[in-house]
Parts: sequence; C-alpha cells; structure tokens
Amino acid sequence: DTEVTQTPKHLVMGMTNKKSLKCEQHMGHRAMYWYKQKAKKPPELMFVYSYEKLSINESVPSRFSPECPNSSLLNLHLHALQPEDSALYLCASSHGDHRGRQPQHFGDGTRLSIL
Amino acid sequence: AQKVTQAQTEISVVEKEDVTLDCVYETRDTTYYLFWYKQPPSGELVFLIRRNSFDEQNEISGRYSWNFQKSTSSFNFTITASQVVDSAVYFCALSRQGAQKLVFGQGTRLTINP
Repeated sequence: DTEVTQTPKHLVMGMTNKKSLKCEQHMGHRAMYWYKQKAKKPPELMFVYSYEKLSINESVPSRFSPECPNSSLLNLHLHALQPEDSALYLCASSHGDHRGRQPQHFGDGTRLSIL
Repeated sequence: AQKVTQAQTEISVVEKEDVTLDCVYETRDTTYYLFWYKQPPSGELVFLIRRNSFDEQNEISGRYSWNFQKSTSSFNFTITASQVVDSAVYFCALSRQGAQKLVFGQGTRLTINP
C-alpha cells in the first residue's frame, strides 16, 4: 500500500464545476508535489510546497489552485477546467532537506475527466 | 540543461527472459542523482532506486540490477528472469543537487507475456 493517499481515485466534472483533490502523507515529509500525467507521457511537475510554502509553480493556469494546510496535507482546487485538463493527477512527497537527493514517494493518483 | 532519454518506447518479452531497459542522461552538473520508478497500471509511481553521481557501484536487488556508467552517461536497468508482475511503465529520472524538480525520461512500457 502506498504511504501517500490521494482522494478521490476517480473524478468526473463539468467545465463549470468546482472540485478539490486531496493528498495526505504521514511519513514526516516536508516537501509535497502535484504532477499532471497525460496518457503515455511522463509526469509533469505543477507545484511544489516546501515546509508548507509554495516554492515552485511551473506556470500552471490559475484554474488550478494549490493549498497546503499543514505538513501532512496537500489540496488542489479545480475551477472552470477545460477538456484538455483530463489526466492523471499525482501527488508526491519527500524529505524537505537534501533537495534533489531524496526520492519522491507517489500516491495512486486521481483520474480526472472533464466533460 | 538536463535531459533523460529512454530510447525504448515499448519492450515485449516472454516470461523468464532477461530484459534491459536503457537510460541515457545529459547534465553539466558534477553532483546529480539518478532514479528509476515503476508505474503499474494502477497509476502509482513506485520508487525503485537512487544513484548518486559519485557512486558508480552497480547494485543488485533480487532480480533487479542497475548498471551506472558515467563514461557513457548511462544508468541501465536489468530484470533477470522476468515475471508477468514486472509488466509496467518504467521511468528513469534525473535531479540536480539542491533542486526539487525531477527530469523524467519518456518511459519504457514493458510487457511480460506468460
């Protein structure tokens, strides 16, 4: 079983809906990540939080809004998404120190479909 | 700029065959880290191994082995006596010291047929 838990596993939403993806880890990690993965492609980094502060935003459209309420939780708020946003959204976490060296641990992902 | 190339898009072998997945990387950094991840159909990326740029020792873990050669900028992954459960997409990735961003290769889809 993965130590990074993502909910929901599947989400279907219309373009006018507002929904949120949730991610939780209890490994004491202080860095958390959101990735987007399209079929047959590698994951693409969206956001990174380090010690609950946003450290990287890979020029993601504002219809995606991340939030890190505490060191164990990471949310991704979705609003007015487009059909091309349909993808697998992966959350990951890693130790906050020794950046680059620490492996990232991934959740199972949320499969998002935009109608 | 950093880059990871996995030239093999898809590999299909029969169970019990040995199979090697190739990974070639580009970086100007002297300190960097290489990773392999496995992504089964369930979606989760499973961390398999990390290699530091200053440690060229090969590693073996059960049926898995990794060959790191700085001279050819390669970090290849071999599965011995493959099993159906090894079927997955495998990603090689690179990160620089101090960075939180992983540079992924395009992945190799491995299918092990019974």
